[in-house]
Amino acid sequence: ETGVTQTPRHLVMGMTNKKSLKCEQHLGHNAMYWYKQSAKKPLELMFVYNFKEQTENNSVPSRFSPECPNSSHLFLHLHTLQPEDSALYLCASSQGLAGGHTGELFFGEGSRLTVL
Amino acid sequence: AQKITQTQPGMFVQEKEAVTLDCTYDTSDQSYGLFWYKQPSSGEMIFLIYQGSYDEQNATEGRYSLNFQKARKSANLVISASQLGDSAMYFCAMRENFGNEKLTFGTGTRLTIIP
Repeated sequence: ETGVTQTPRHLVMGMTNKKSLKCEQHLGHNAMYWYKQSAKKPLELMFVYNFKEQTENNSVPSRFSPECPNSSHLFLHLHTLQPEDSALYLCASSQGLAGGHTGELFFGEGSRLTVL
Repeated sequence: AQKITQTQPGMFVQEKEAVTLDCTYDTSDQSYGLFWYKQPSSGEMIFLIYQGSYDEQNATEGRYSLNFQKARKSANLVISASQLGDSAMYFCAMRENFGNEKLTFGTGTRLTIIP
C-alpha cells in the first residue's frame, strides 16, 4: 500500500457534473498539496494545506474547490469544469522542514480526469 | 523566466550504460533545495534524490547521483548502470526560501532504456 492514496484513479465527467477527488495519506504528515499535470507542461501547484489550514491558492479558478477536514484527508471538489481542465491531478503530502527534513513531497498515483 | 529548465524532452539509452539528465535552475536565493523525481507510467511521482544548496558534497542514493554545480546553477541527475525499469519520466524540482515548502517542477525528460 502506498503512503498516499488517491481515488478515483480515472474519472470522466461532463461539463455540468459535480464530482470529487479524494486523497488520503498514511504517513503522519501535516502538509498536503494538490498539483495539476497537463501534457507537456510542468506540474502546476494548485493548493497547499498545513495543519488543515489552506496556506496557498495558486490563482486556481473557483470551479475547483478544495477541502481538508483533517491532516490525513484532502478533497478536490469539481463543478462546471471545462475540457481544458482534463489532466492528471496529483495529491502529495510532506512532513515539512522541521527537524532537519528536506521537505520532500510524497505523491499519490494521481487521478486522471477527462472532461467532455 | 523558467525556474527549472530541462532541455532534453526525450532520451534513449542502452541498458547498463550510464545516463545524465540535465537540469538548470534559476534563483536569487542563497538557501534552496533541489530534487529529482521519477514518474513511471503508473503516474506516481517517486522521490529519488535531494541536494541542499549548502551541501558541499554531491548527493548519492544507490545508482543515482546528483552532479551539483552551484556556480553554473546546474543539478544534473546521473544514473549508473541503467536498467529497463529506469524507463520513465524524470522531473527536476526546486524549493526556494527555506521555510517555503512549495516545489517548482521542470517539464521533465522521458528516458527510455533499450535492451
